[in-house]
Amino acid sequence: DGGITQSPKYLFRKEGQNVTLSCEQNLNHDAMYWYRQDPGQGLRLIYYSQIVNDFQKGDIAEGYSVSREKKESFPLTVTSAQKNPTAFYLCASSRGQAMETQYFGPGTRLLVL
Amino acid sequence: QQQVKQSPQSLIVQKGGISIINCAYENTAFDYFPWYQQFPGKGPALLIAIRPDVSEKKEGRFTISFNKSAKQFSLHIMDSQPGDSATYFCAASSQGGSEKLVFGKGTKLTVNP
Repeated sequence: DGGITQSPKYLFRKEGQNVTLSCEQNLNHDAMYWYRQDPGQGLRLIYYSQIVNDFQKGDIAEGYSVSREKKESFPLTVTSAQKNPTAFYLCASSRGQAMETQYFGPGTRLLVL
Repeated sequence: QQQVKQSPQSLIVQKGGISIINCAYENTAFDYFPWYQQFPGKGPALLIAIRPDVSEKKEGRFTISFNKSAKQFSLHIMDSQPGDSATYFCAASSQGGSEKLVFGKGTKLTVNP
């Protein structure tokens, strides 16, 4: 089965804690993306990567970090600097060409304890 | 100029009716306009997409209408069904830029039986 997997489905963060969200794809896609979804706000781009070992900030990168050491993996770390981390986080991938479909994972819901 | 403005925020339609969601953009460099459908707790999935060289694209009950001069595009769902109840996002990107999509804030559609 080809697709994008995200884990965990739910994640709880304590004050001052860094947490890492996993995103894996077996679609052989070059480009991967992280979005944050809040009610009524749509999807806002956090980081994206068009190729291994390279990534760019999106519109709301502050308080987040990423790495792209392997083509199939693009983990997102929510750092303690992100003061309002409660949201639904979505990972997506595409072939990286213009007008290509982005395929989304099932999402991770992050909650603050 | 990078925004995509989507309306209405929510929409309630009776079964069999027509659902219409509108989007407007400012950036004339946008040349790809997809619509994504998202069910609660799931990631969005591509529903239908259009390029500005055509004014309309139809796939089953779903139609995109595109007005290049007005910089507007809309999604029409004919014979709306309860199973169409979801959140719909319009988006836009430009071939000359990166593969980043700019999303509207979403429309929550409820189709009553």
